[in-house]
Amino acid sequence: DSGVTQTPKHLITATGQRVTLRCSPRSGDLSVYWYQQSLDQGLQFLIQYYNGEERAKGNILERFSAQQFPDLHSELNLSSLELGDSALYFCASSVDQGWTGELFFGEGSRLTVL
Amino acid sequence: DAKTTQPNSMESNEEEPVHLPCNHSTISGTDYIHWYRQLPSQGPEYVIHGLTSNVNNRMASLAIAEDRKSSTLILHRATLRDAAVYYCILRTTGNQFYFGTGTSLTVIP
Repeated sequence: DSGVTQTPKHLITATGQRVTLRCSPRSGDLSVYWYQQSLDQGLQFLIQYYNGEERAKGNILERFSAQQFPDLHSELNLSSLELGDSALYFCASSVDQGWTGELFFGEGSRLTVL
Repeated sequence: DAKTTQPNSMESNEEEPVHLPCNHSTISGTDYIHWYRQLPSQGPEYVIHGLTSNVNNRMASLAIAEDRKSSTLILHRATLRDAAVYYCILRTTGNQFYFGTGTSLTVIP
């Protein structure tokens, strides 16, 4: 158990809909990262937050947004969903900004868009 | 952009050492090299990381080439539980994380 909790574990929705994925980092970790893993594109870095502020942005679509709340949990919002958004979404946390620190990954949220 | 390349798959016999290569020819001087592995139906887990010098921990060893354009993850004695996808990652100063394609390791009993 990495200590990172993601909910829901599975989610099935339709095209055009909006979903929210939630992540609770390990106790004491200030950084949260979001990744997307699909069969044809591997593991893609989406975005990182540190203590409530956005710190790094990767290949995140404009239809996607994220935030980190004062209690340090984070949410990834996916809107206007398309079939291609079906993937595993991982959250990871680290104690520092991620400069050299170890990342702890959650079990992932599997999103299926029909 | 910093990127890594890895073989798609490798096989190893149980109890034998495994050397997993990674090329990162565009690495910059401040990029750290990280290795993670992902077991089936799980999130990736940290294995090891380094900057310039070789590193050892309880899980593995990391050998970094002198020019830092390549590295090798060494599992000293492969077990069945080591069967996973191994990712070589560059962590840049801009906090961008470039995952390689990953190497799927099969351990043969």
